[in-house]
Amino acid sequence: GIQVEQSPPDLILQEGANSTLRCNFSDSVNNLQWFHQNPWGQLINLFYIPSGTKQNGRLSATTVATERYSLLYISSSQTTDSGVYFCAWTNQGGKLIFGQGTELSVKP
Amino acid sequence: NAGVTQTPKFQVLKTGQSMTLQCAQDMNHNSMYWYRQDPGMGLRLIYYSASEGTTDKGEVPNGYNVSRLNKREFSLRLESAAPSQTSVYFCASRVGVEKLFFGSGTQLSVL
Repeated sequence: GIQVEQSPPDLILQEGANSTLRCNFSDSVNNLQWFHQNPWGQLINLFYIPSGTKQNGRLSATTVATERYSLLYISSSQTTDSGVYFCAWTNQGGKLIFGQGTELSVKP
Repeated sequence: NAGVTQTPKFQVLKTGQSMTLQCAQDMNHNSMYWYRQDPGMGLRLIYYSASEGTTDKGEVPNGYNVSRLNKREFSLRLESAAPSQTSVYFCASRVGVEKLFFGSGTQLSVL
């Protein structure tokens, strides 16, 4: 089946630092999404990015569909960025598979 | 506009009991999904419905059944609950393959 792999699995940052999270997928992608799960379990959609680059404030994402990966950049991290970041791959049929997540902890 | 609504929020079952998790969305989305989340396992797809009247198996369908009752509602049934089904269950919906919206989750414990 499709493999969606995220790295690193865990990340600890000091407030103000930058980071890059990676998502590799084993099959051609129709769409790629990034989510943030906050410490209370709520899942928030960050980016819907089948290809190219998008930016939203301190966050940006890039998907290179031909090379089967996506990157999430977090700049000037804040303690509120803590939580788990998931990428999710979608095929044309609508099936949506998540990676195992990167758990981020930002220390003050 | 409530978005995606799941009920119940918490449930405790004994092994062998049955129950149905309900999910409804008011955004006129055609695709709906059920996921389970276990510690260290991320979110795993149980079943999905790309449109009203269709359902497909995901990564971990065994022990579950689903019903797409209409465009708004997609229910998940456990016929004979097992301790291995203790998990947090999330329902989600979207238009086609676009942005996904989640419900707030159901914490299920099977004793």
